[in-house]
Amino acid sequence: KAGVTQTPRYLIKTRGQQVTLSCSPISGHRSVSWYQQTPGQGLQFLFEYFSETQRNKGNFPGRFSGRQFSNSRSEMNVSTLELGDSALYLCASSLDTSRQFFGPGTRLTVL
Amino acid sequence: QQQVKQSPQSLIVQKGGISIINCAYENTAFDYFPWYQQFPGKGPALLIAIRPDVSEKKEGRFTISFNKSAKQFSLHIMDSQPGDSATYFCAAIGEKAGGTSYGKLTFGQGTILTVHP
Repeated sequence: KAGVTQTPRYLIKTRGQQVTLSCSPISGHRSVSWYQQTPGQGLQFLFEYFSETQRNKGNFPGRFSGRQFSNSRSEMNVSTLELGDSALYLCASSLDTSRQFFGPGTRLTVL
Repeated sequence: QQQVKQSPQSLIVQKGGISIINCAYENTAFDYFPWYQQFPGKGPALLIAIRPDVSEKKEGRFTISFNKSAKQFSLHIMDSQPGDSATYFCAAIGEKAGGTSYGKLTFGQGTILTVHP
């Protein structure tokens, strides 16, 4: 089976812009979780989607949003970018929400 | 109560030695404990995981030891190799808790392992 794919792999944006990141889960996986990874804060949970429904959300401002499509692909959006949003954004897919398999991540740099 | 504390922050071992990384948790609702390995520029890769109904799980050179009463678990890498040099993360999730636990892995801060040849 193909692994989790994320696009794009790298992004450079300026403050105030918005960005959309995409994640394609492993075939058959219906749960997709998103994480932000930074050197200072480590891996922080953003949200989880299952069958197009957001079931859980981490402690991030409303500028961070996401959605899931009927084919389980997921997108996350960050509006009004801030310098502190520079991070590696990771998505993970799972059959049962626990055994999560991560994609390679999208490296977002905000200038 | 959601924290997972991981130590040490960094670890240097010689080839062939044993690497030991420790984690402690507070939330008793956690019931699944995976370890991830991450190489620079890559996403975390699931290495091995354990549930609290067993005290030890071994897969090849990797072993998880679990102490439910102490709320601690550790990763042992036997016969460490230079190719094991990476950052290791412990994590925890409450599978059965539902609600605010859905899909939420809580991670330790990571341990940078360097194995010298």
